[in-house]
Amino acid sequence: KQEVTQIPAALSVPEGENLVLNCSFTDSAIYNLQWFRQDPGKGLTSLLLIQSSQREQTSGRLNASLDKSSGRSTLYIAASQPGDSATYLCAVNFSNTGKLIFGQGTTLQVKP
Amino acid sequence: DVKVTQSSRYLVKRTGEKVFLECVQDMDHENMFWYRQDPGLGLRLIYFSYDVKMKEKGDIPEGYSVSREKKERFSLILESASTNQTSMYLCASRWGVGGQGQPQHFGDGTRLSIL
Repeated sequence: KQEVTQIPAALSVPEGENLVLNCSFTDSAIYNLQWFRQDPGKGLTSLLLIQSSQREQTSGRLNASLDKSSGRSTLYIAASQPGDSATYLCAVNFSNTGKLIFGQGTTLQVKP
Repeated sequence: DVKVTQSSRYLVKRTGEKVFLECVQDMDHENMFWYRQDPGLGLRLIYFSYDVKMKEKGDIPEGYSVSREKKERFSLILESASTNQTSMYLCASRWGVGGQGQPQHFGDGTRLSIL
């Protein structure tokens, strides 16, 4: 069964810290992987998409890496800010239909 | 920017009613998706569509149907609403065919309560 796991479920850090969120998946034959942010009661905001042929993607203070052979992706957030507080979701596209399998998410709190 | 619009943010309906949730995207995307999100269960795919009048079952299609008569609009239908369908419903769209497409973009969600 294709599964996506995110650990830890919750994380609290002081402002300014660099941090890493982890995502693991069970099948290395993926098409792409997408990281999202979700604020309470809201929809999902796409942060980064990594195609299977890529190793990493960067957007501002965010950097996502992909290691298919080990079934892992990490989202690196540099110089965290209170506005980064949200739930971060990892989703993997295992099939050519584009459907995503989601992890349970990591809820991040950045304290001022 | 991609805009995915869901018709209602909050909706309250009664058991047994037929419920329609509407989703519209403005970027001519081929693919559209309906998910539901529940605490402890995460996001699960209900149905998706890769073209007009085409539909595919996701992981939890029971109790739901969909309609895609126009490319920009994808409707989710609860044929006879039940309390276990109380949830947050999220619509998404994506450009591209097959696996190597562009990112999925989501609407703001509809929080549906069935009484």
